[in-house]
Amino acid sequence: EAQVTQNPRYLITVTGKKLTVTCSQNMNHEYMSWYRQDPGLGLRQIYYSMNVEVTDKGDVPEGYKVSRKEKRNFPLILESPSPNQTSLYFCASSPLGPGRETQYFGPGTRLLVL
Amino acid sequence: GENVEQHPSTLSVQEGDSAVIKCTYSDSASNYFPWYKQELGKGPQLIIDIRSNVGEKKDQRIAVTLNKTAKHFSLHITETQPEDSAVYFCAASIQTGANNLFFGTGTRLTVIP
Repeated sequence: EAQVTQNPRYLITVTGKKLTVTCSQNMNHEYMSWYRQDPGLGLRQIYYSMNVEVTDKGDVPEGYKVSRKEKRNFPLILESPSPNQTSLYFCASSPLGPGRETQYFGPGTRLLVL
Repeated sequence: GENVEQHPSTLSVQEGDSAVIKCTYSDSASNYFPWYKQELGKGPQLIIDIRSNVGEKKDQRIAVTLNKTAKHFSLHITETQPEDSAVYFCAASIQTGANNLFFGTGTRLTVIP
């Protein structure tokens, strides 16, 4: 089954404790992206990747890191989480990019930073 | 960058009635406008999209209209059913070479049986 998977689905952590949210897609898509969803703000892009070893900032990259060492994986790293990073996070992928092809979203990761 | 505004934020309709959600965008270079449906506990899923060379597109009970002059586009759902209850997001992007998709703030649609 073609899908985007994220782990974990739920995470509670404390301020400053490094964490990684994994994202994997099995559709051989070139483009992958991370969004955060907050009430009243919709989805905002954090980082995106056009291909392996090619990443760039989205609208709200502060406090986040990403890497794209393999085509299928695009982990989101919070080196020192803070309470304002409490949010619902979505990973997405598409064949060529969000402007030309459908984006496929993962099920989401709900993060609480205490 | 692009700014997408979406209204209303909540919408309740009786089953069988129509629902309309409206969005405006700011960047005249945007030419790709998808709509996503997000059900409870799931990620958004594309339901319909329209490109700037088309004024209207239909897919069964769902239609999207685009007015490029006024920079607004709308989602129309006819004969609503309880399973249409979800959060709907509009988005805008520059089709060629776009790396970002700018989302509206979402509309929570409730269809009352």
